Amino acid sequence: QVQLVESGGGLVKPGGSLRLSCAASGFTFSDYYMSWIRQAPGKGLEWVSYISSSGSTIYYADSVKGRFTISRDNAKNSLYLQMNSLRAEDTAVYYCARGGVDVPFDYWGQGTLVTVSS
Amino acid sequence: VIWMTQSPSLLSASTGDRVTISCRMSQGISSYLAWYQQKPGKAPELLIYAASTLQSGVPSRFSGSGSGTDFTLTISCLQSEDFATYYCQQYYSFPWTFGQGTKVEIK
Repeated sequence: QVQLVESGGGLVKPGGSLRLSCAASGFTFSDYYMSWIRQAPGKGLEWVSYISSSGSTIYYADSVKGRFTISRDNAKNSLYLQMNSLRAEDTAVYYCARGGVDVPFDYWGQGTLVTVSS
Repeated sequence: VIWMTQSPSLLSASTGDRVTISCRMSQGISSYLAWYQQKPGKAPELLIYAASTLQSGVPSRFSGSGSGTDFTLTISCLQSEDFATYYCQQYYSFPWTFGQGTKVEIK
């Protein structure tokens, strides 16, 4: 069955960096678009970033553009999110999800909590 | 950016009730709309995509309708496990956006 497992979250100071990972299994990872979506505590869902199946097309939300970098390693069935210059407003649970252009997010990981605080 | 207005934000209902949730777009999105259910502490789960297509394994009491700018999620006979928060999401154009959410609570 499809599984997405995020890791790498934690507590970081404002201005710091963190790298999230998402390990995929149960499907042919290299065939699918992938995205990161976040949810601030008690708030709604916000799409953060998208990467095409080959990695050739990448999109970011304006709120993270220039600070976050999405990437993937199809040989390792893994998705990544490098987060730099973190701000308090980046505090959220970060989900990796399968989907993006023209398709919904049909599978989600369990999420990893990122807390940005001094 | 496509803005989404989801209503109501809170819905109080009883087991067995028929409930509807609305999602309105700031511009037409054809049928590129999905509905998700989220329970506390859990990841969202896809219920409906393409406005009206039930995701595999989702009970038939859930249904979706609409196209263009106005969409509806209906739960025909509310069950105890349906008390949760529901989100609509458009995947017609970047950036993909979600509605604000509707919390369905026990009356």
